[in-house]
Amino acid sequence: GAGVSQSPSNKVTEKGKDVELRCDPISGHTALYWYRQSLGQGLEFLIYFQGNSAPDKSGLPSDRFSAERTGGSVSTLTIQRTQQEDSAVYLCASSLGGQGAETQYFGPGTRLLVL
Amino acid sequence: AQSVTQPDIHITVSEGASLELRCNYSYGATPYLFWYVQSPGQGLQLLLKYFSGDTLVQGIKGFEAEFKRSQSSFNLRKPSVHWSDAAEYFCVISGTGNNRKLIWGLGTSLAVNP
Repeated sequence: GAGVSQSPSNKVTEKGKDVELRCDPISGHTALYWYRQSLGQGLEFLIYFQGNSAPDKSGLPSDRFSAERTGGSVSTLTIQRTQQEDSAVYLCASSLGGQGAETQYFGPGTRLLVL
Repeated sequence: AQSVTQPDIHITVSEGASLELRCNYSYGATPYLFWYVQSPGQGLQLLLKYFSGDTLVQGIKGFEAEFKRSQSSFNLRKPSVHWSDAAEYFCVISGTGNNRKLIWGLGTSLAVNP
């Protein structure tokens, strides 16, 4: 079946512009996670959704970052007034969201470059 | 604090040699444990995971890992490395509740000499 998809795959923007990154999780997966992979920082957790609510936003680095999820499916990560330090690969993962030995499945990521 | 330490930033082995990648974690209780691999230009792929039970877990591509609670370690091993194993390897932990956010090590880059 279809895996996690993300769009765009690459995004180049100018400092100060807003960007939107999209994640389509695997159908039926109720849990959705955003991570960021940047040089020298490794992979960092950003936000966790269970259904449409976000019980853990603790990884969002500043109030310029926000995310939403609608219909228990698609999620959008928005970065306002982008800065050069926002340049990174943004990864989305989804999982069934239940208890037990479940796996997070990752999308291919969106590579963001802020000039 | 919750953290994962991978002491080796970069490792080079010869094809056919054995491999061990080290991982130590800090967590309030026993977390769930994972190893992910990221090949150049590829996405993240789960190699194996430990949730409970037998502390020696088998994964894909001939990899295995052993959980040692007393040492807070989860080292990854492979008896004979193939050139295609060259990649970045991440040791990862998560909590066991509803929020399974992953906490990542900084990764070990593996190079394989022919």
